[in-house]
Amino acid sequence: QSVLTQPPSVSAAPGQKVIISCSGSDSNIGNNYVSWYQQLPGKAPRYLIFDNNRRPSGIPDRFSGSKSGTSATLGITGLQTGDEADYYCGTWDSSLNVGVFGGGTKLTVL
Amino acid sequence: QVQLQESGPGLVKASETLSVTCIVSGASTRSSSYYWDWIRQSPGKGLEWIGNVYYNGNTHYNPSLRSRVTLSLDTSKNLISLKLNSVTATDTGVYYCARHEVWLHLLDSWGQGTLVTVSS
Repeated sequence: QSVLTQPPSVSAAPGQKVIISCSGSDSNIGNNYVSWYQQLPGKAPRYLIFDNNRRPSGIPDRFSGSKSGTSATLGITGLQTGDEADYYCGTWDSSLNVGVFGGGTKLTVL
Repeated sequence: QVQLQESGPGLVKASETLSVTCIVSGASTRSSSYYWDWIRQSPGKGLEWIGNVYYNGNTHYNPSLRSRVTLSLDTSKNLISLKLNSVTATDTGVYYCARHEVWLHLLDSWGQGTLVTVSS
C-alpha cells in the first residue's frame, strides 16, 4: 500500500488530454514539493515535473503539474502513442522522514 | 552531466546478503545539496523507496526495511553502497540509485538499474 494514492490506470485517444491525480497528506504533499516521474517500458524513471509545476528543459509543455493542499495532478495534453508509460508522483514525508511514491498510473493511448 | 551506474550480483541465495553499488560520475557525492537514494521495483510493481545517505554519512531508511538495510557512501570514490541482509524472494527486483535534491526532494538523476534475483 503506497503512501500516495494514484489511479492504477488511465486511457485516452491520441490528441486527447488526461489528468492523473495523486493524493497524500499534510506530512507529505501538504508540506513538500511534488515531482512526477515517467517510466517508459523497460527503462529507468525520469522526472517530468518538479517543484509541483515546473518542467525541466527538454520536457514539452504538453506536460503540466499542479498542487492544491494535499493533492497534486499531472496533466498531459495532445496525447501521443509515445506517452504510453507508467507515471509516478513522489515527494518527502516530513513526519516519517522517508521518501514516498504513489503506486503508479499506467497510461494507455488508445 | 551526472551519470549513475549500478552494479549488482544478478543472483543471490535466499537468507544471504544482497550487495549493490552505484558509481557516480559528473558530480561530487561531497555536495551538501544532495542525498543519494536507493529505490527498487519488484517485477510488475511500482517504485519502493529504500533509503538514502547524505555526504556526512547520515541516513534515512524505509521503516519496512530498516532492520535489514545498510547504506553507505565513500566520497573519495564517489561510490554509494547498499546492503540488504536476510533476503527472500520478495526482495527480487530492479535496484536503482538516484540523486536526490535536498530542498525540492527531487530525484533528478537515475541509474539504469540492476536486476537482482533471489533464488531459493
